[in-house]
Amino acid sequence: QVQLQESGPRLVKPSETLSLTCSVSGDSISGSYWGWIRQPPGKGLEWIAYIYYSGGTNYNPSLRSRVTISQDTSKSQFSLTLNSVTAADTAVYFCARGAGYLIKDWGPGTLVTVSS
Amino acid sequence: EIVLTQSPGTLSLSPGERATLSCRASQSVGKDYLAWFQQKRGQAPRLLIYDASSRATGIPDRFSGRGSGTDFTLTISRLEPEDFAVYYCHQYAVSPLTFGGGTKVDIK
Repeated sequence: QVQLQESGPRLVKPSETLSLTCSVSGDSISGSYWGWIRQPPGKGLEWIAYIYYSGGTNYNPSLRSRVTISQDTSKSQFSLTLNSVTAADTAVYFCARGAGYLIKDWGPGTLVTVSS
Repeated sequence: EIVLTQSPGTLSLSPGERATLSCRASQSVGKDYLAWFQQKRGQAPRLLIYDASSRATGIPDRFSGRGSGTDFTLTISRLEPEDFAVYYCHQYAVSPLTFGGGTKVDIK
C-alpha cells in the first residue's frame, strides 16, 4: 500500500518561497500521477497541480504563475514550490497519488503558515 | 472551471438515520468523473466513491453514490458513529480539478 509523507518548513515569511517535498513508499513513482492539494484552516479543498509519470505537468490556472511541481524518481519524491507567498497561502498542504486524475491516496498533510 | 455546489451545508442526524447529500455541477461532468471524500477533523480526506457510483476499496456498502451529468448524490443508509464528518464531492473530468464546499454531517 502506498504511503506518502509531506516535509518542509512549517513557517514561511511573506513574499518568500514555500517548498515542500513528498516522499513516496510502497509504489513506484514512475507509474502514477502525483499531485498537491491544499486546505486553508477551516475551509475547503483546492487542487494545486499534478505531475505525470512521463514528467508532464498540469497546474491550477489560479496558481499557475507562482507554482512549480517536479519529481525526483531516484529518490521517490516529488516537490512543490510556491513563490511570493502571502497570508492567503496559509494552509494544510497534502500530497497525493492519482489514478489518472482521480485522487486516490493522500498524505497526512502539513500545515504551512505564512507569517513574518 | 466546473463549480460544484453541495447541499445542505450541514446535516444534523442521529445514528441509524439515513443521510442524503447532494452535489450539483455548473456543467456536465463528462464520463461521470465524480468522486466523494470523507474528512474527519485533523485528517486527510478519504476516498469513498469514484466514477459517481463505484465504492473505493474497503468502503462499507452503507455508502452509495448515484447520479450523472450535473446532479449527484451520496447516501449513507444507516449512520454509524464514525460517519459523522465532512463530505466533499470532487470532479476530475476537466482541469482544473475542483471540489465542492463540503457538507458537514453532525450528531443531532
